[in-house]
Amino acid sequence: QVQLQESGPGLVKPSQTLSLTCTVSGGSINSGDYYWSWIRQPPGKGLEWIGYVYHTASTYFNASLRSRVTMSIDTSKNQFSLNLKSVTAADTAVYYCARDASAYGYFDYWGQGTLVTVSS
Amino acid sequence: QAVLTQPSSLSASPGASASLTCTLRSGIIVGTYRIYWYQQRPGSPPQFLLRYKSDSDNQRGSGVPSRFSGSKDASANAGMLLISGLQSEDEADYYCMIWHSSASVFGGGTKLTVL
Repeated sequence: QVQLQESGPGLVKPSQTLSLTCTVSGGSINSGDYYWSWIRQPPGKGLEWIGYVYHTASTYFNASLRSRVTMSIDTSKNQFSLNLKSVTAADTAVYYCARDASAYGYFDYWGQGTLVTVSS
Repeated sequence: QAVLTQPSSLSASPGASASLTCTLRSGIIVGTYRIYWYQQRPGSPPQFLLRYKSDSDNQRGSGVPSRFSGSKDASANAGMLLISGLQSEDEADYYCMIWHSSASVFGGGTKLTVL
């Protein structure tokens, strides 16, 4: 059974960089069958896709966040990561990592999510 | 105008049917897209329910009961999630999604209340 687990600081100061890691177990991240995405959800609001990273390290981001986002993948550790720079209170959200079955286009496995609060 | 628009809330009675709509922005033609539907219960991540493009191109997620189905209304430029035989456990938020210009886009979600 594939499992994803987010990890990282729960509190980030304004203007700093939010950094999260997603550890994948029960399956290899080094597969061309999947894309690895980050999705966030502000408290009480809807879902926003941030972007994805592929096993080749290629990436694609939501246009609204593209200038502040980087993603990377470490196939040796079966992990992928998100960096979001210059954060503000508007970036406070539950951050989910998820697997996208590329042949079908849906997110079939999700992490439980981690709340990141941006506050001084 | 948002790419995908969903009504914020919907109420229905147990045992009844519910139809949740997802309207695509003008100029984005529903017939060319797969519409994905997710269910999210409080405190949990979303779960994939189904995807629907046509009667010959659709798929339910693993373990999703057949009372969940998809359709489209081309005249309204909308995708639809149909839930029959509503149960209390169906009370949740429902999100539609499409891949548009290589990016995933979610609707704002519909809170379904079963009462």
